[in-house]
Amino acid sequence: KAGVTQTPRYLIKTRGQQVTLSCSPISGHRSVSWYQQTPGQGLQFLFEYFSETQRNKGNFPGRFSGRQFSNSRSEMNVSTLELGDSALYLCASSLDGLTAYEQYFGPGTRLTVT
Amino acid sequence: GQQLNQSPQSMFIQEGEDVSMNCTSSSIFNTWLWYKQDPGEGPVLLIALYKAGELTSNGRLTAQFGITRKDSFLNISASIPSDVGIYFCAGPAVLGTGANNLFFGTGTRLTVIP
Repeated sequence: KAGVTQTPRYLIKTRGQQVTLSCSPISGHRSVSWYQQTPGQGLQFLFEYFSETQRNKGNFPGRFSGRQFSNSRSEMNVSTLELGDSALYLCASSLDGLTAYEQYFGPGTRLTVT
Repeated sequence: GQQLNQSPQSMFIQEGEDVSMNCTSSSIFNTWLWYKQDPGEGPVLLIALYKAGELTSNGRLTAQFGITRKDSFLNISASIPSDVGIYFCAGPAVLGTGANNLFFGTGTRLTVIP
């Protein structure tokens, strides 16, 4: 089975721009979560989608948004980029049910804001 | 939110040595997960624990779910160079909605000296 894929792997943007990141979950996984990883704050939960609905949201400003499509693929968007948004953005997918907390991560998208 | 503290922060060991690390929380968890992250990649799930006192192995790795439910331990036996990386513990937020939201520990950076 193919793992979680994320595109693009690397991205350089300028302050004030917006960016869209894409994630394809493992086949059969309907839950997709997004995390931000920085040296200072570690791994922090952004939001989770299940069946095209946002089920949970972390403590991030409204500039961070996401969506999920009917095929479970997900995108996240960051508008009005700030220097502090530079981070590794990780997508994870999981089966719902008893093993729902076993999340499988993609390789991440490294975003640099200049 | 919950705080997951890992110790030690970093370890330098000789190849062949055994390694022990732990993770403690201020709150009770009903699931503990251990991940390993290589540079520039996403975390890889190593072991999932579901019951207090549970001891689970995955090859040379053994993890335990502490009986207080506020801690977990990971041991690596006979370390090899490819064990190098950052090890994270993680536990799910208890939301009651089926939503998947993991809190991650601060990480233990392992260096294996050949």
